[in-house]
Amino acid sequence: NAGVTQTPKFQVLKTGQSMTLQCAQDMNHNSMYWYRQDPGMGLRLIYYSASEGTTDKGEVPNGYNVSRLNKREFSLRLESAAPSQTSVYFCASSERGTYGYTFGSGTRLTVV
Amino acid sequence: KNQVEQSPQSLIILEGKNCTLQCNYTVSPFSNLRWYKQDTGRGPVSLTIMTFSENTKSNGRYTATLDADTKQSSLHITASQLSDSASYICVVSEGGYNKLIFGAGTRLAVHP
Repeated sequence: NAGVTQTPKFQVLKTGQSMTLQCAQDMNHNSMYWYRQDPGMGLRLIYYSASEGTTDKGEVPNGYNVSRLNKREFSLRLESAAPSQTSVYFCASSERGTYGYTFGSGTRLTVV
Repeated sequence: KNQVEQSPQSLIILEGKNCTLQCNYTVSPFSNLRWYKQDTGRGPVSLTIMTFSENTKSNGRYTATLDADTKQSSLHITASQLSDSASYICVVSEGGYNKLIFGAGTRLAVHP
């Protein structure tokens, strides 16, 4: 009963460095999402994948890229990290036609 | 602009007491409203989901209400426990099943 697994849990980057946040789900969900959570604000959608092979921009996609590697895995890449990308990142998955939405435990990223 | 506003931002109550959290939204078209609980360092976990036709839903000591006419919702917690200390997030789904607008959350602290 793992649900949605995110790695790593914590990461510190220097400005300009790149990294990939990994997300995997074991519920056979079609849709997957990447959100960021900043203090005093609601979660904001970065990118989503409605189904394997498709990805779309959300509300705040600038500075990020994604890959839907297969039905289970959805990764988020920061090509050149900036301090404004300091945040907690959450991956989530859902099944079309249902209201169910499962979140991972998050990755806390600090860019210095 | 579609928005979800929650009040209060933070709340401290004594163990065993009741409390009510508020949510106002301007999301249109409305599909459903969800309340999530987010423990520190964890991802949000669903408490309740209500569609347009539902005006109350319970999950144990948690009871959510929805007034679709005034676009308001509340989450009532009965006989609070220390484990209720968390952020409570109101989320409104715009249009389809999974286009979600998140509130910033109410941070609840339950003291012994």
